[in-house]
Amino acid sequence: DQQVKQNSPSLSVQEGRISILNCDYTNSMFDYFLWYKKYPAEGPTFLISISSIKDKNEDGRFTVFLNKSAKHLSLHIVPSQPGDSAVYFCAASSNYGGSQGNLIFGKGTKLSVKP
Amino acid sequence: SAVISQKPSRDICQRGTSLTIQCQVDSQVTMMFWYRQQPGQSLTLIATANQGSEATYESGFVIDKFPISRPNLTFSTLTVSNMSPEDSSIYLCSVLGEGNQPQHFGDGTRLSIL
Repeated sequence: DQQVKQNSPSLSVQEGRISILNCDYTNSMFDYFLWYKKYPAEGPTFLISISSIKDKNEDGRFTVFLNKSAKHLSLHIVPSQPGDSAVYFCAASSNYGGSQGNLIFGKGTKLSVKP
Repeated sequence: SAVISQKPSRDICQRGTSLTIQCQVDSQVTMMFWYRQQPGQSLTLIATANQGSEATYESGFVIDKFPISRPNLTFSTLTVSNMSPEDSSIYLCSVLGEGNQPQHFGDGTRLSIL
């Protein structure tokens, strides 16, 4: 049973527009959420995170929104750039105050930003 | 953030053989982890590599199949033993730095078993 779900395997967006990547989770014990970006032949790179005490975290063009009641989070990229084309993984953890050891990942969404 | 070097970057192995993957970090880190990403699947934690003691394995993973060493705070190895085609995956090392920083990943080892 998948605890973290990214239901869209792929997303295509025009350059300059907004990209919205979605993630749902089932475990109410998750208290820390992360987004990673992965280019081919490279490891995942940390992008942005949010703890469950917040509902929004912003870093430049990237904003993550958390809706705890719906067990849903989303990553907004504005404006989207061709260099943003990558696979985006949502991950969750239930021990933010501890080791964050066991990150539970979704299967990823492949974002393509067209010039 | 720490620089992680994983070797080999890829390999093609015969069924029944074993392969050891190395993970070297350019600074001392408290926690190191090994993940697996099977084709089309999410990253799954195999185990936490503990310095000076036995690794802590997640459900579904056992030491006989995935022995792990961590002799110091900058290095770890993962061995994939008695490989079968189902072990074809990307294996990734990650580290957790000081101050509860997010996990940082190496580039992974792409393993194919014939």
